[in-house]
Amino acid sequence: GEDVEQSLFLSVREGDSSVINCTYTDSSSTYLYWYKQEPGAGLQLLTYIFSNMDMKQDQRLTVLLNKKDKHLSLRIADTQTGDSAIYFCAENEGNTPLVFGKGTRLSVIA
Amino acid sequence: GAVVSQHPSWVICKSGTSVKIECRSLDFQATTMFWYRQFPKQSLMLMATSNEGSKATYEQGVEKDKFLINHASLTLSTLTVTSAHPEDSSFYICSAQKQGNEQYFGPGTRLTVT
Repeated sequence: GEDVEQSLFLSVREGDSSVINCTYTDSSSTYLYWYKQEPGAGLQLLTYIFSNMDMKQDQRLTVLLNKKDKHLSLRIADTQTGDSAIYFCAENEGNTPLVFGKGTRLSVIA
Repeated sequence: GAVVSQHPSWVICKSGTSVKIECRSLDFQATTMFWYRQFPKQSLMLMATSNEGSKATYEQGVEKDKFLINHASLTLSTLTVTSAHPEDSSFYICSAQKQGNEQYFGPGTRLTVT
C-alpha cells in the first residue's frame, strides 16, 4: 500500500531556516500536502503542490518536489517560536482519502 | 476561506453511553467528509469516508455499528460513538473536501470515556 515517511524530530534555532523532508511511495500521487498541527488542535493546511510542479513558494514557506525520487520538502524561512508544531506530509490522488506521514515535531529554540 | 468546525471540542462520558460528534463546513459545501482518529503522539488513522446522501465507507478494522456516521447535508456529518468504552478515548478529527480536492480539517474533538 501507499506509504509516507518523515523524520520524527527537528530542532532549529529561532531565525534559522527549517527543512522538513518527506518521502512517499505512491507513484499515482497527484497532490502533496503539508499540514501543521499545534498541541491539542486539528490540522491546518499550510500548502499543497500538484505533482506536475517542482516548486511552490508562499511567503516564508517553500515546497520542493522531486517526483523522480518521490521526495517532498518544506522549508520554513526565518523560523519563529510560533512555528513549533507537528508537521504532517500527506498525499492523495485527488478525490481519495489522504495518506499521512507520522509527522515531524519541529522545536524552535529561542 | 474554508472553515470546518467540530462540536463538541471535548467530551467526557461514562462507559456504556453514546456520544455524537458534529462536523460542519461553515463556508463551503462538502460532498465528502472524512473521519480520522489520532492517538497521542501518533499520526491520523482514517476511520471512514462520508458521502452526502449515501452510506459511509469504513476502513478495515473499524466497526460500522460502533462508529455510526451520518452525512445528512452538504455541510454536516456526524459521528456517533455508541456504547463507548475507555479504549475509545481518543482525539477525533474530521475533514471536509472542497472542490479542487483540498481537505480542510476541523479542530478535533477529544473524547474521554471513564
